[in-house]
Amino acid sequence: GAVVSQHPSWVICKSGTSVKIECRSLDFQATTMFWYRQFPKQSLMLMATSNEGSKATYEQGVEKDKFLINHASLTLSTLTVTSAHPEDSSFYICSALHRGSYGYTFGSGTRLTVV
Amino acid sequence: DAKTTQPPSMDCAEGRAANLPCNHSTISGNEYVYWYRQIHSQGPQYIIHGLKNNETNEMASLIITEDRKSSTLILPHATLRDTAVYYCIVTNAGNNRKLIWGLGTSLAVNP
Repeated sequence: GAVVSQHPSWVICKSGTSVKIECRSLDFQATTMFWYRQFPKQSLMLMATSNEGSKATYEQGVEKDKFLINHASLTLSTLTVTSAHPEDSSFYICSALHRGSYGYTFGSGTRLTVV
Repeated sequence: DAKTTQPPSMDCAEGRAANLPCNHSTISGNEYVYWYRQIHSQGPQYIIHGLKNNETNEMASLIITEDRKSSTLILPHATLRDTAVYYCIVTNAGNNRKLIWGLGTSLAVNP
């Protein structure tokens, strides 16, 4: 089946530094990737939609200059949290639409802790 | 996309069937019902989806009422590994559609 590999699974970084999260579709081409954020005991909140070769579309309230998304190929999308602060600590999840299947495939998530 | 309503939590004994309800009274004709689950600290996992007919796969069964205003996800023989948060989502089948996530149902399967 369709697999999305997300790395790293967890990361701890110092306040003010940047962190990059990668998502790769392993056996299919993902023209569209979705990036979510999930705080403890809350549901997934869509942050942005990235399309291969074009600019990402951000949801209202999400700072595009803080959360940089790059979708340079059909198998790789990255989310960079720039100048991270403790309030950015969260669980970040990517998802891709596999056109040959019925639903979205999700990465395993990245637990970001900013200290 | 239509909104869904699910009970916040449910319990089920191991080996018994788990029946998880979902209300989606504002569903429109071209919208599907999707079920995902999220085990703690993991990404969501697709379970099943349907439009109007009942569906079954190796993981679960989906029963959709005739008026399509509600559905039930059935895990026929729940195991401890089925403990997770289960999300019912209604969305159209168009490309690049967004998934709107509610709080889901936290299912605890007890030994």
